[in-house]
Amino acid sequence: DAGVIQSPRHEVTEMGQEVTLRCKPISGHDYLFWYRQTMMRGLELLIYFNNNVPIDDSGMPEDRFSAKMPNASFSTLKIQPSEPRDSAVYFCASGIINEKLFFGSGTQLSVL
Amino acid sequence: QKEVEQNSGPLSVPEGAIASLNCTYSDRGSQSFFWYRQYSGKSPELIMFIYSNGDKEDGRFTAQLNKASQYVSLLIRDSQPSDSATYLCAVKAGGFKTIFGAGTRLFVKA
Repeated sequence: DAGVIQSPRHEVTEMGQEVTLRCKPISGHDYLFWYRQTMMRGLELLIYFNNNVPIDDSGMPEDRFSAKMPNASFSTLKIQPSEPRDSAVYFCASGIINEKLFFGSGTQLSVL
Repeated sequence: QKEVEQNSGPLSVPEGAIASLNCTYSDRGSQSFFWYRQYSGKSPELIMFIYSNGDKEDGRFTAQLNKASQYVSLLIRDSQPSDSATYLCAVKAGGFKTIFGAGTRLFVKA
C-alpha cells in the first residue's frame, strides 16, 4: 500500500488566493482527519470524517476553511481567501476505529 | 485549559540514560492514549498505545497510564541519539476524535 498520499508537498501563494489541499487515504480506512501544525500551536485537529461524512468540524478556524470528502478515496481542504496566518504544515491522516492513525507526508503551505 | 498538555522541552539526556516524557489530559471520558514520534520535517508515526491503567512495555519503550490522575507517560530506556525527536501525546476522546499535545522535544547527547 502506498500509504496516505497528500498533494502538493509544498504550496506558496499570495494572500487572498484560493488554496486547495488534497488527500488520498489508505484503502479500507473509514476515518480521515485533517490536522494543521505550527510551532506555536502544535498539531491541531481541524476536521474528521467517518465513512465520508464530516463528524466534527469544531476545529475549523473560520468560514474561510472548508473540507469535503466526495468518496472514500479522496478528500480536499480548501482555504478561500488565504491569509499569511494560515501558513503551516497541513497533515491528512487515515485510520480504522481503535487503531493508530497513518499520516501523509504533509503539505507545507506558505501564504505571502 | 488545553485538552492535552505536554512540557515543550527541550528535554536533554545523555546517551544510555532513561528519558521520561509526561502528558496530562482534561477529558475524563478518554479511552485510548498514544505516543507518536516526529522527526524534524517528517510526519508523526505511532510508537506506543495504551488503553488500561498501569504499564505497557515494548522493547526500550514503556507507556504508563493513570486514569485517576489523568496522566500518561513514556519512558525510553537506554536512550540513543536516534531517539532525538519530538514526542507527541495523543488522546482519543468520543468517537474516534484524536487530540494531540504540542509535543516534547527530546535531545539525546552522544
